[in-house]
Amino acid sequence: SAELNQPPSVSVSPGQTASITCSGDNLGARYVSWYQQKPGQSPILVIYQDDKRPSGIPDRFSGSNSGNTATLTISGTQTMDEADYYCQTWASSTFVFGTGTKVSVL
Amino acid sequence: QGLLAQSGDEVQRPGASVKVSCRTSGYTFTRYGIHWVRQAPGQGLEWMGYISTYNGYSDLARSFQGRVTLTTDTSTTTVYMELRGLTSDDTAVYYCAREASGYGEYDSKFNYFDPWGQGTLVTVSS
Repeated sequence: SAELNQPPSVSVSPGQTASITCSGDNLGARYVSWYQQKPGQSPILVIYQDDKRPSGIPDRFSGSNSGNTATLTISGTQTMDEADYYCQTWASSTFVFGTGTKVSVL
Repeated sequence: QGLLAQSGDEVQRPGASVKVSCRTSGYTFTRYGIHWVRQAPGQGLEWMGYISTYNGYSDLARSFQGRVTLTTDTSTTTVYMELRGLTSDDTAVYYCAREASGYGEYDSKFNYFDPWGQGTLVTVSS
């Protein structure tokens, strides 16, 4: 089954750009979704179909996917964006989540 | 929109079974399948399986085959996940999530989970 690797942590200063990568074999050939999870809360969808934002998600969240890497970018990061982020894809009827990245805003 | 409301937290003994419910509302029940995902304390998300609310077809991750049963009750728009043979490694928060899907470029399928239930903590302890 597919494995999706993410950096364990990313640190960013308020107002700067945070980039979270998700690596997997030929990942660009599959669609990727991204989820945000704050402590004690359920995950919420922030990006689907590589680069689409659900209604209600701020436009500072964007996504891309090419080659072996998908990227979630948070532009103008705010303190409220501090959370864990997980990528997710689907292949051969199996759903896979990335290892997760903790984004710290400081 | 849609809402998923899960049953309350549970404490179970090793070897026992647990059945978690996920009551849906705010949309046509049979139009979207439901997935189950779990998260052990301090760990990441692990996909467990999927059930079609249209015809009851289910598909489980290999590590849960033989131990998990997914069922639906259309009359109450509720989905159930039963996990048997509990061990301490099954201590986790269990989430249900609604699947949305479609087809993008070159007829390539995409799917994602939205919304999620609030989670049910299952603690396995003697």
